[in-house]
Amino acid sequence: AQRVTQPEKLLSVFKGAPVELKCNYSYSGSPELFWYVQYSRQRLQLLLRHISRESIKGFTADLNKGETSFHLKKPFAQEEDSAMYYCARMEGAQKLVFGQGTRLTINP
Amino acid sequence: DTGVSQNPRHKITKRGQNVTFRCDPISEHNRLYWYRQTLGQGPEFLTYFQNEAQLEKSRLLSDRFSAERPKGSFSTLEIQRTEQGDSAMYLCASSLAGTSSYNEQFFGPGTRLTVL
Repeated sequence: AQRVTQPEKLLSVFKGAPVELKCNYSYSGSPELFWYVQYSRQRLQLLLRHISRESIKGFTADLNKGETSFHLKKPFAQEEDSAMYYCARMEGAQKLVFGQGTRLTINP
Repeated sequence: DTGVSQNPRHKITKRGQNVTFRCDPISEHNRLYWYRQTLGQGPEFLTYFQNEAQLEKSRLLSDRFSAERPKGSFSTLEIQRTEQGDSAMYLCASSLAGTSSYNEQFFGPGTRLTVL
């Protein structure tokens, strides 16, 4: 099965410190990858997709085909970044395959 | 609120009972998806519709599960003879099919099912 793996269930960093949430995928072709975020008491929402190569809320993610990774990074964490983060891959034409998620906590 | 809505938000039922959930997508969206999320896991795809046609079903969708989208607008997900293993958050999402290869899926708040 083609999988998305997020090795860290929990990640805790201090405000102002760099953040990296890891994501690895198993797929031999050119995957279409995304990061979704769920803030407390809010619904799941798209944060960014690799094909757009944009920075959202200071986050970036680079697709590394050699390492089959799509890690999410932010140079300086803010308290409002505390949330659940899911890496996901598009499978077939429409369905999303999600990783297990990483709960990010930013300590003041 | 013009986003995806789901009802009920919470459902507690006894094992063996039938339950039905409703999803109302964003009004102009022609695609509708159902996902299931259990504790500590990411959402898992169940099925999706384009207009009223159910185009794909996951193997997770046993014969006790049925989904419909009769008029290409709202959708219902029914679980018959519920089991404790059906306890999960059921998420609905919608998107607008267009010319791009990816159409962002917008998620609803989910229906949390607890089977006692």
